[in-house]
Amino acid sequence: DQQVKQNSPSLSVQEGRISILNCDYTNSMFDYFLWYKKYPAEGPTFLISISSIKDKNEDGRFTVFLNKSAKHLSLHIVPSQPGDSAVYFCAASAQTTGTASKLTFGTGTRLQVTL
Amino acid sequence: KAGVTQTPRYLIKTRGQQVTLSCSPISGHRSVSWYQQTPGQGLQFLFEYFSETQRNKGNFPGRFSGRQFSNSRSEMNVSTLELGDSALYLCASSRRGGSEAKNIQYFGAGTRLSVL
Repeated sequence: DQQVKQNSPSLSVQEGRISILNCDYTNSMFDYFLWYKKYPAEGPTFLISISSIKDKNEDGRFTVFLNKSAKHLSLHIVPSQPGDSAVYFCAASAQTTGTASKLTFGTGTRLQVTL
Repeated sequence: KAGVTQTPRYLIKTRGQQVTLSCSPISGHRSVSWYQQTPGQGLQFLFEYFSETQRNKGNFPGRFSGRQFSNSRSEMNVSTLELGDSALYLCASSRRGGSEAKNIQYFGAGTRLSVL
């Protein structure tokens, strides 16, 4: 039962353009969402998060949008840079149930930013 | 500030053996969570330790266990290793608390376990 889904295994974007990575979830108890970036042979690096009481959170080139009714979130990277090439994971947790530490991850989207 | 440190980075074991992995959290972080990453199942939550007590547990057999010491360092043990236990084991730490920011988990580089 995949509660967090990233339906696009890969995405290729030109340098300077916008990258949009998508994530869907099914568990209504999820109330906190995070995006991580992962390079080979390294652990995931935290990028940005959003609480279910918000619909947008911005941090520099990264913006996360949350649509609760559709159970959908997306990560926008503008402008995309070659160093952004990595695997991006969406993760969710249910903070109000006392399981904030139990992150449920999507399967990841490999982003390649080309010159 | 030093990040999450996991040792060893690589490990090769044979079926039936047991293995212990170590994790040192970021200074000031009292919660340590463990995850398993495999090509087939992705990143899956194993368990969380906070104040030397297991607080949350994922859907893994009892062969997977852990503990946490008073300095917040944590160890994970896998007994009677099976071929399917070959994976990247990741440790993450957080402050753990009422605010969402305190619950953001920061990951180590992982231990790559190969079971032959």
